[in-house]
Amino acid sequence: AQTVTQSQPEMSVQEAETVTLSCTYDTSENNYYLFWYKQPPSRQMILVIRQEAYKQQNATENRFSVNFQKAAKSFSLKISDSQLGDTAMYFCAFMRDNDMRFGAGTRLTVKP
Amino acid sequence: NAGVMQNPRHLVRRRGQEARLRCSPMKGHSHVYWYRQLPEEGLKFMVYLQKENIIDESGMPKERFSAEFPKEGPSILRIQQVVRGDSAAYFCASSLTSGGSTGDTQYFGPGTRLTVL
Repeated sequence: AQTVTQSQPEMSVQEAETVTLSCTYDTSENNYYLFWYKQPPSRQMILVIRQEAYKQQNATENRFSVNFQKAAKSFSLKISDSQLGDTAMYFCAFMRDNDMRFGAGTRLTVKP
Repeated sequence: NAGVMQNPRHLVRRRGQEARLRCSPMKGHSHVYWYRQLPEEGLKFMVYLQKENIIDESGMPKERFSAEFPKEGPSILRIQQVVRGDSAAYFCASSLTSGGSTGDTQYFGPGTRLTVL
């Protein structure tokens, strides 16, 4: 079974600084998808970024980018120029054949 | 284009009552997923449905829980004879296709927070 591990329960960063959230996963599959979702205090789950495992190029979405290391089964999220609105829980997720598994989450606090 | 809709947003039930949670997928999406989130935890998969079919219910307890996605109307997650341990946030997600393309990203609703007294 696929497992997703987020080893940082909590992190903080100063506004305008850069922060990296870690995620590792375990799978024997070759084709799959990886996601980062953001859950602010409103509890809404918001898609941040998506990566297809067959793509070597790291996905980017404005201030958000990933470092996808397939051999190491690592999928970290980098947030540049952190903003107060980035304060939220961040969940890493692995998906194959519509079976999606989430990590336990990292609580990120952006400090003014 | 409206996103995934869930109602109610908050639901309070006493032990032994029934809870019905509704989910309307995004327009054009025919795949629906239900997840449960306990406090301070990630989301746990419960069930995956397409119109009129349950595709995967491996994450759903065999007793008291059921789900449907009729041809017309929203998907329903039903919990019979609720217990305190059922208190959680229940999220619904929908996707356009079932994998292997850019359409399989799951988009989430705002969730229903169930409290069992």
